[in-house]
Parts: sequence; C-alpha cells; structure tokens
Amino acid sequence: LAKTTQPISMDSYEGQEVNITCSHNNIATNDYITWYQQFPSQGPRFIIQGYKTKVTNEVASLFIPADRKSSTLSLPRVSLSDTAVYYCLVAGDAGKSTFGDGTTLTVKP
Amino acid sequence: EAQVTQNPRYLITVTGKKLTVTCSQNMNHEYMSWYRQDPGLGLRQIYYSMNVEVTDKGDVPEGYKVSRKEKRNFPLILESPSPNQTSLYFCASSLSSQAETQYFGPGTRLLVL
Repeated sequence: LAKTTQPISMDSYEGQEVNITCSHNNIATNDYITWYQQFPSQGPRFIIQGYKTKVTNEVASLFIPADRKSSTLSLPRVSLSDTAVYYCLVAGDAGKSTFGDGTTLTVKP
Repeated sequence: EAQVTQNPRYLITVTGKKLTVTCSQNMNHEYMSWYRQDPGLGLRQIYYSMNVEVTDKGDVPEGYKVSRKEKRNFPLILESPSPNQTSLYFCASSLSSQAETQYFGPGTRLLVL
C-alpha cells in the first residue's frame, strides 16, 4: 500500500498559483492518484484524479512525472475560499484507502 | 440528489454503551468505507466493503464492527465504546473501489465520556 508524504502547511496570497506536491515512492502499477479538498467539519470532496502525465479540469491541474513517484496539484489563481486541507490519495482497486496527513493551505488577502 | 447520509450527526455517549452510526448512499455504489479523523492524523480507514456481504479491515479496525446486508447501507457499530473512540467519523462510497472518486458523508462527531 503506497504511503504518501505531503507538506504539512502552505501559505499563499489571493490570485497566485499554488502547487502542492505529494510523494508516493512505492506506488503500484495499478494505483491511481486522487486529490481531495476538505473544509472544517465537512467531508472531503473530490478535486482531480490521474494516472500519468497531466490532467486538467475546471478547478485544478494534476502533474504526474513518468516515474509516478510524486504528483503535483496545481491550483490557478487561488482565492480566500480555497483555504482548506488538501489530501493526496494513492490507491488501486484492492479496497484499502490510506490518506496522507494532508496539506493545510492558507490563502491570505 | 446523489448523496451519502449519516446519522446521527452528533452523539455524546458513555463508555460501554453500544451504539450504531448509520450510513446510506443512493448512488447504487458497490464500495463503501468508514474513516475516522483525529486532529493531526488525517483520515484513517476503519473498515471497507467491496460489495454486499463483503467487508474487510482498514488500518484501525479495533473496537469497531460493520455489516453490509444491502448495497445502500453500511452501519458502523461500536459494541463497547471507549474514550479513545472520540472522533469525527466519515462514511464514503464509490462506484467500485477506493480508486474511484469517493463521495463522503457530512460526518458524525462522537464524544465518549
């Protein structure tokens, strides 16, 4: 089961691009990488998922290098409402889920 | 509306008094899972279920039981709660596995005195 490592916290300012990197050195061939966002006292919410290279949706981009041992969540032009905890999850289809400790992003005005 | 519901949302109980937290999803998902969240420890998986009558342990199963008699429901049972089970609990479901997008419930905040 892949263990993930993320920075504990990050600060940014409104309008900036934020990149949060997750390390997952022992990722398995059939594992996908998924990022979730969580606000206080709410359940996590899906942001983006990828397997390799780059994935982009309306809220974020996910960059995954060829060796897949890390991934970077990119949030363009953050706002105050993006202040939250961001979790990286690396998981295949075996059933077990192990979330990392998450990165607390604080966006300042 | 597609959703995962949990009940109760808040619960205060005493040590040793059996309790059940219900979880229900209306998306016909096969996979369901329970997590607990404690300050500074992120989300830790308690139990998961790949389908009806199929359950397995996550990372922190001690002191908990689950059942999956029907696809939509996945109750979490604490036979004899202890103070160290005071936590925020989340139920989640996904189409077929935890690699798929997981939809989380609103959480149940439990205090065991």
